[in-house]
Amino acid sequence: GQQVMQIPQYQHVQEGEDFTTYCNSSTTLSNIQWYKQRPGGHPVFLIQLVKSGEVKKQKRLTFQFGEAKKNSSLHITATQTTDVGTYFCAGGRNQGGKLIFGQGTELSVKP
Amino acid sequence: DAGVTQSPTHLIKTRGQQVTLRCSPKSGHDTVSWYQQALGQGPQFIFQYYEEEERQRGNFPDRFSGHQFPNYSSELNVNALLLGDSALYLCASRRQGDTGELFFGEGSRLTVL
Repeated sequence: GQQVMQIPQYQHVQEGEDFTTYCNSSTTLSNIQWYKQRPGGHPVFLIQLVKSGEVKKQKRLTFQFGEAKKNSSLHITATQTTDVGTYFCAGGRNQGGKLIFGQGTELSVKP
Repeated sequence: DAGVTQSPTHLIKTRGQQVTLRCSPKSGHDTVSWYQQALGQGPQFIFQYYEEEERQRGNFPDRFSGHQFPNYSSELNVNALLLGDSALYLCASRRQGDTGELFFGEGSRLTVL
């Protein structure tokens, strides 16, 4: 069945350092979404990418969707302690359908 | 405007028992999905309900069943509980036709002893 792999599983950075998490799907995706889950919280939507090669930015966050629509990345520039949490990618095979989540990358930021 | 609300927030059951979890979607939303999130893992899709019918189902056994009511609220039922069913159960809603953001509730944390 369809799988979405995400690496790394954990990332520990010093405040101010950059952070990147990578997501790879075993099948071509219709769309990919990114969510952030704070410790003890629930997933909160960050963004959706639908076009091949798409790049979107939200302040210090940059999201990319691969040309083949099978991989994606999230890059955070100059991390802050408020960035702490687990970042999940979630791939969809059709719009509005089920999402297959990656295992997540847990980010910790040392002040 | 209330977001997605779930109840109960925590519950403890023993093996073999049955559990019902409840979800009220965000105002204006009519499509509800349920996800299971084991500790340290990403959410796994259980099923999706729209117009009171199960529209999509993930790779979960028949012990997992659901229902959607005319007011769009939903229930998740799990029968014959196993230790491995211990997890955070998340409800997510959206409006049919909206293809983007899923709004998640805080979840129901189920512990099976």
